[in-house]
Amino acid sequence: EVQLVESGGGLVQPGGSLRLSCAASGFTFSSDWMHWVRQPPGKGPVWVSHINSDGSSTTYADSVKGRFTISRDNAKNTLYLQMNDLRADDTAVYYCASLTTRRAFDIWGQGTMVTVSS
Amino acid sequence: DVVMTQSPLSLPVTLGQPASISCRSSQSLVHSDGNTYLSWFQQRPGQSPRRLIYKVSNRDSGVPDRFSGSGSGTDFTLKISRVEAEDVGVYYCMQATHWPPWTFGQGTKVEIK
Repeated sequence: EVQLVESGGGLVQPGGSLRLSCAASGFTFSSDWMHWVRQPPGKGPVWVSHINSDGSSTTYADSVKGRFTISRDNAKNTLYLQMNDLRADDTAVYYCASLTTRRAFDIWGQGTMVTVSS
Repeated sequence: DVVMTQSPLSLPVTLGQPASISCRSSQSLVHSDGNTYLSWFQQRPGQSPRRLIYKVSNRDSGVPDRFSGSGSGTDFTLKISRVEAEDVGVYYCMQATHWPPWTFGQGTKVEIK
C-alpha cells in the first residue's frame, strides 16, 4: 500500500523544538521530491519546505527559514522536519506530501498536530 | 510570490447539478518547459488533502470523471458535472510553476443546499 505516515507532533512551549518524521512505503521514495505542508486550524494548506530526491537541495517558506530544517534518509525511506524556536503561529497540522506531477497519483500523510503554547 | 485567488469562497449546490470553481493566478503559470503546473485538491472534512487534477486538466488515478479541469495562463476552472454527496468539502488550487514557494488558493467550500 502506498502511504506516508507522520509522527512526532505534540504540545511544545514557545521557543522549543520538535522533530517530525514521515515514513514512506509502497512507492520509490528515493525518486520523489518531498514536501512539508502545514494547515493551521480552520485555515487552508500552506507550503513549508521541499527537498529534492537525493537531499542535496532544499527550499523553505520565508516564515520558517532559519528555524526549520528538512532532511531525508533514503535508506530508511523517511523524511524529517527539525523545527526550532517554535512560535504560536507554527501551530498547525503538518503533512508530508509528494506533490509530484510525474505520475497520476499524489501522496499525502494523515498529518501530525503541532501545538505551540505555554 | 504567486498569489492564487479562488472564487467563490462558498458554493452551495444541489445534488445532481453542476458546480464550477474559478482560480486565478497573479502571473502566468506557463513554465519554461511548456507545461502549466496548476493542480486542484479536495479536502473532505477531517481528511488530508487529495489531489484531483494536475497540470491543469489531467485527472489523478481513481478520480471520478465528473471532475474536470481547464484553463490556461492565469485563469483556471474546476468543474463537477453532477455533484454527489461525497463531493462536500473544501477545494484548493495550487501552483507549482514559480517556486519556491508552492502556493495554494484560499479554498472554496462546497456544500449541499
